[in-house]
Amino acid sequence: NAGVTQTPKFRVLKTGQSMTLLCAQDMNHEYMYWYRQDPGMGLRLIHYSVGEGTTAKGEVPDGYNVSRLKKQNFLLGLESAAPSQTSVYFCASSHPQGANEQFFGPGTRLTVL
Amino acid sequence: AQSVAQPEDQVNVAEGNPLTVKCTYSVSGNPYLFWYVQYPNRGLQFLLKYITGDNLVKGSYGFEAEFNKSQTSFHLKKPSALVSDSALYFCAVISQRAGANNLFFGTGTRLTVIP
Repeated sequence: NAGVTQTPKFRVLKTGQSMTLLCAQDMNHEYMYWYRQDPGMGLRLIHYSVGEGTTAKGEVPDGYNVSRLKKQNFLLGLESAAPSQTSVYFCASSHPQGANEQFFGPGTRLTVL
Repeated sequence: AQSVAQPEDQVNVAEGNPLTVKCTYSVSGNPYLFWYVQYPNRGLQFLLKYITGDNLVKGSYGFEAEFNKSQTSFHLKKPSALVSDSALYFCAVISQRAGANNLFFGTGTRLTVIP
């Protein structure tokens, strides 16, 4: 099992450019999440999905969109990148109940110039 | 409202000594509590969790954590630290009443084990 994978690993964008981050999991998890990690702030939830075809906003959703067309994939899009979106982005997945731990991907380091 | 506090940004400990990484939480109702570890340039890895039952939880790599309901704490411990334990540690909490999307993370504690 590959677990949770993310592409790309690194990306540099100019302000105003768009991009899509791809997350894939092979554990048949219903729930998937996108977080951003910034120094001194821990992880903050951007968007999440409780199943194929469903998405919902997390704590910091502005400037991002997501789609979950297939159960195993969760895409995070930046329509018009801003320097404030410079961060490390992590995807995670889990079974539905809150008692279940989340499994994380290796992260994508994004720099917006 | 849910929150997690990790009062120490940095913990230094000598190799072979016991280590403690502190975590306190605030949540409505009973909590599920988690510890994750992050090695450089890697994603978070699950270490252990408290769901119910025994207050002392054992996890991966010799780590354990003690749930203390009266002090609303869930400190991570290890009897004898290894240099390879050096990493960033995150405590996380979710209310048992909440959906799985409501996991809140602390800001992290960087553990350095000195040879």
